Amino acid sequence: DVKVTQSSRYLVKRTGEKVFLECVQDMDHENMFWYRQDPGLGLRLIYFSYDVKMKEKGDIPEGYSVSREKKERFSLILESASTNQTSMYLCASSLGLRGSNQPQHFGDGTRLSIL
Amino acid sequence: LAKTTQPISMDSYEGQEVNITCSHNNIATNDYITWYQQFPSQGPRFIIQGYKTKVTNEVASLFIPADRKSSTLSLPRVSLSDTAVYYCLVGGFGNTGKLIFGQGTTLQVKP
Repeated sequence: DVKVTQSSRYLVKRTGEKVFLECVQDMDHENMFWYRQDPGLGLRLIYFSYDVKMKEKGDIPEGYSVSREKKERFSLILESASTNQTSMYLCASSLGLRGSNQPQHFGDGTRLSIL
Repeated sequence: LAKTTQPISMDSYEGQEVNITCSHNNIATNDYITWYQQFPSQGPRFIIQGYKTKVTNEVASLFIPADRKSSTLSLPRVSLSDTAVYYCLVGGFGNTGKLIFGQGTTLQVKP
């Protein structure tokens, strides 16, 4: 079974802090994703990566950056946290080269609160 | 970009068959259709994926008409544990480079 592990289930940070959310997958998947999930808005794609050191913007990249130095690890960075970034953050991974349609496998999420 | 539209909520009773339809009028030629299930405080879980016609696995069936502008997830004989949010996803990189989730359908199964 694919295992996608997010470093924290719950996190509380203060406005203006730099926040790191970590995600690790154990199946040698090429593609990794970061989403946020908010009530009434469903899942929205923030960034994705289809290879080490490669990244592409999703639908809502503003205020976020990502890092993928190793294939198994994909980090989401909130450069200067704001209260509107309070949300559930979900990491996912999938197999295959860019252009494939393999299903995504999700972690259990990090519920981030910005005070 | 292929946006999707699903009903916000549905109710059903144990033992019934449930059909959830997703509309995706602007689906691209190389887009696949994928459905996920999500329970509270958990990440989405892959259910089924298809490109055209009908796909069946041990938990669900997926019906896709010839024009591919919609798809229907069919859950046979639902139980209380099928109460969850179901998401329709269209895309898989391709030329758009983006993945689109629908808003999700909250299915409530009653005893």
